[in-house]
Amino acid sequence: GQQLNQSPQSMFIQEGEDVSMNCTSSSIFNTWLWYKQDPGEGPVLLIALYKAGELTSNGRLTAQFGITRKDSFLNISASIPSDVGIYFCAGQLGGAQKLVFGQGTRLTINP
Amino acid sequence: DGGITQSPKYLFRKEGQNVTLSCEQNLNHDAMYWYRQDPGQGLRLIYYSQIVNDFQKGDIAEGYSVSREKKESFPLTVTSAQKNPTAFYLCASSPDRVLTEAFFGQGTRLTVV
Repeated sequence: GQQLNQSPQSMFIQEGEDVSMNCTSSSIFNTWLWYKQDPGEGPVLLIALYKAGELTSNGRLTAQFGITRKDSFLNISASIPSDVGIYFCAGQLGGAQKLVFGQGTRLTINP
Repeated sequence: DGGITQSPKYLFRKEGQNVTLSCEQNLNHDAMYWYRQDPGQGLRLIYYSQIVNDFQKGDIAEGYSVSREKKESFPLTVTSAQKNPTAFYLCASSPDRVLTEAFFGQGTRLTVV
């Protein structure tokens, strides 16, 4: 199936630091979504992006839909302990009725 | 409250037995999806349905079956033909047939012994 390359695979940071992660693909996407998953739970939608170049914030989270429509990034500012978890990007290919998911970025925060 | 409910949360089965995972939503969403998640990996699509009485195979449909007899329900059966069924299974739904945002249930962890 179609692949999304998400990086980094894991991050170990200090509380209060900013975080940046991204997803790239060789294909063009119509929609980019960012999810957070806590252990043993389902992913929770954080931000949805629908237009190339779109920059959207949700509290301390900011995500952008790349101009080329082949990438997206997520930034978390001033990280706190509850930000710990796995972050997934997901993209909808043009005309496809399904999402393609990245491999996830595991965020660990040292207090 | 509206949402997606998966049951049970944990499920144990003996090898060779079929098992059915439940997914119910009261969000009035048209589309529903089943994903499989293995440790340290992303989500892989098993089956999806955009409308009642219709469904399509995803990327890893072999060894699984589904039905969509009601809009609210999309059960997944893991058959004995699935060679490696132990995994975390996630159900999701989205508001319309043209996928915009997918909302997930809490997941079912299936362990086959």
